[in-house]
Amino acid sequence: QKEVEQDPGPLSVPEGAIVSLNCTYSNSAFQYFMWYRQYSRKGPELLMYTYSSGNKEDGRFTAQVDKSSKYISLFIRDSQPSDSATYLCAMSENSGYSTLTFGKGTMLLVSP
Amino acid sequence: DADVTQTPRNRITKTGKRIMLECSQTKGHDRMYWYRQDPGLGLRLIYYSFDVKDINKGEISDGYSVSRQAQAKFSLSLESAIPNQTALYFCATSDHRTSGTSGYRYFGPGTRLTVL
Repeated sequence: QKEVEQDPGPLSVPEGAIVSLNCTYSNSAFQYFMWYRQYSRKGPELLMYTYSSGNKEDGRFTAQVDKSSKYISLFIRDSQPSDSATYLCAMSENSGYSTLTFGKGTMLLVSP
Repeated sequence: DADVTQTPRNRITKTGKRIMLECSQTKGHDRMYWYRQDPGLGLRLIYYSFDVKDINKGEISDGYSVSRQAQAKFSLSLESAIPNQTALYFCATSDHRTSGTSGYRYFGPGTRLTVL
């Protein structure tokens, strides 16, 4: 079993839809969870950062962590064509730890 | 992100050639990283550096070497390029000194390398 699993997609939705992106992981020591957004031909950029379990909201984006299920989600409300990108989850065991384990990314396509 | 720059942005080379990819940052971060990204394989860590005197191998360091010339500069070399090193290469930085943020990575725009 790979350490972090993420469906590659593509996930195609119409503008305005609620999008759910997910990752599962096997390492119970992960405590810090991140979502990165990567536009085509660009470097990934940090979108959301959460510690341990619970929810975090930032505008149209909500990150959710369920450590008991080893499952994290990113929800995008009122999706826009500009949200079309690849979304990568990432996680680490502690805040000072140098190793960050990335998922392979889910491609999201939002059509007008 | 203009704070992390990579040169060149695109490079085509031939098998056996020596190639250097360069990364500079103006973020003042202490840690720097080199990743490669391949379709279906995601981002994989090649090397990382905690500071100028501390360089560490990542999960796929074979065939690569690095040099941290200064706090702000980290270069990646392919001593003898081979076709399976064709990939998108990203430099990234992080700030260990600010509590709770060393997990963040700030990525450069990438270098698309093709080895023929």
